[in-house]
Amino acid sequence: GENVEQHPSTLSVQEGDSAVIKCTYSDSASNYFPWYKQELGKRPQLIIDIRSNVGEKKDQRIAVTLNKTAKHFSLHITETQPEDSAVYFCAASSLYNNNDMRFGAGTRLTVKP
Amino acid sequence: EPEVTQTPSHQVTQMGQEVILRCVPISNHLYFYWYRQILGQKVEFLVSFYNNEISEKSEIFDDQFSVERPDGSNFTLKIRSTKLEDSAMYFCATASGVSYNEQFFGPGTRLTVL
Repeated sequence: GENVEQHPSTLSVQEGDSAVIKCTYSDSASNYFPWYKQELGKRPQLIIDIRSNVGEKKDQRIAVTLNKTAKHFSLHITETQPEDSAVYFCAASSLYNNNDMRFGAGTRLTVKP
Repeated sequence: EPEVTQTPSHQVTQMGQEVILRCVPISNHLYFYWYRQILGQKVEFLVSFYNNEISEKSEIFDDQFSVERPDGSNFTLKIRSTKLEDSAMYFCATASGVSYNEQFFGPGTRLTVL
């Protein structure tokens, strides 16, 4: 089955700096890669996703890149703000596996003002 | 904007008791999922459900767990005889199935087994 690895487990940056979180996956059939932001005690919220037919996607300060050959994808947050502080999870799923998602272990991002 | 809802928000139970967690999916969604998140850990896949049957289940989803859609709207997760290690946040998620895979999460039910 799919196995998703995520690094780093914690990340601390100064406000205004960039943050990068990296994930790798094992199943070459995976074709959908969402990123979720989870604040304490809340549900995971989808912030951006990428499908296997594109290599990069951007939404304002957030971007995601995908390297299918190497089976890794990354989340980039620019101009970080204190409200970006949360736990971020990457995930991978496949249409051929009923879209069952497998999550990475999470990255706790702290943005210091 | 429609949302997935879950009840109860918090359930406290004694070890060995049965619990039923309820989810109301977004109305036109066809794919349903349960996930578990032990405090401070990652979100773990439990089971997926489509066309009134289980599509896939993880190794966590043993004989103590079951799911059903009893009335065509609610989607339930039953734990027959709870154990201490079942204490976690349980999230329901649903997807339309029309296009790619985006799943919408409910607010979760915090289960505490004493």
